[in-house]
Amino acid sequence: AQSVTQLGSHVSVSEGALVLLRCNYSSSVPPYLFWYVQYPNQGLQLLLKYTTGATLVKGINGFEAEFKKSETSFHLTKPSAHMSDAAEYFCASYNFNKFYFGSGTKLNVKP
Amino acid sequence: DTGVSQDPRHKITKRGQNVTFRCDPISEHNRLYWYRQTLGQGPEFLTYFQNEAQLEKSRLLSDRFSAERPKGSFSTLEIQRTEQGDSAMYLCASSVSQGANTEAFFGQGTRLTVV
Repeated sequence: AQSVTQLGSHVSVSEGALVLLRCNYSSSVPPYLFWYVQYPNQGLQLLLKYTTGATLVKGINGFEAEFKKSETSFHLTKPSAHMSDAAEYFCASYNFNKFYFGSGTKLNVKP
Repeated sequence: DTGVSQDPRHKITKRGQNVTFRCDPISEHNRLYWYRQTLGQGPEFLTYFQNEAQLEKSRLLSDRFSAERPKGSFSTLEIQRTEQGDSAMYLCASSVSQGANTEAFFGQGTRLTVV
């Protein structure tokens, strides 16, 4: 079975601090991996994706993520949080023609 | 191209009524997905199409739900005899199935409230 687990349903950081959102996947076959961001009452916007090649991928708005096969992880980071980063973030995997989503992490950024 | 569009954005209906949602994908995308998202959860797969063919339906999808994609363009999702448990955000996404270029583009969703 395919699944994506996001540790921490809520993360709170101060503006300017490091953002770290955790994602682990389970798959018998290395999947494609994605991070999406969702603002209230909106659809999902792609931040970044890993398919093949370099395991450190950079996305929009200064976010990046590293695919670690040995740890089955794909954690999302940003060196310095901005107030506009407050949103819900979803990790997703793509395998067998479907996208599987984690339950999401709400990021709160304190001034 | 304006991206994936969904209509309506919001729908309030009485229990027992039928509702239909529409999704217009990005024009060159051959795959179209429907997902359901409830409060505090990630999107849950409902069904997907490749061109006009519905290739998979979630086992969680009751027979009150039906989806079509005539001519492989827009898609509709119908829910018959709505129940309060159907209240959720219904998301449509489209993609191309091209290996490393695979990614899903989402619409803004239709929020259904069943009263």
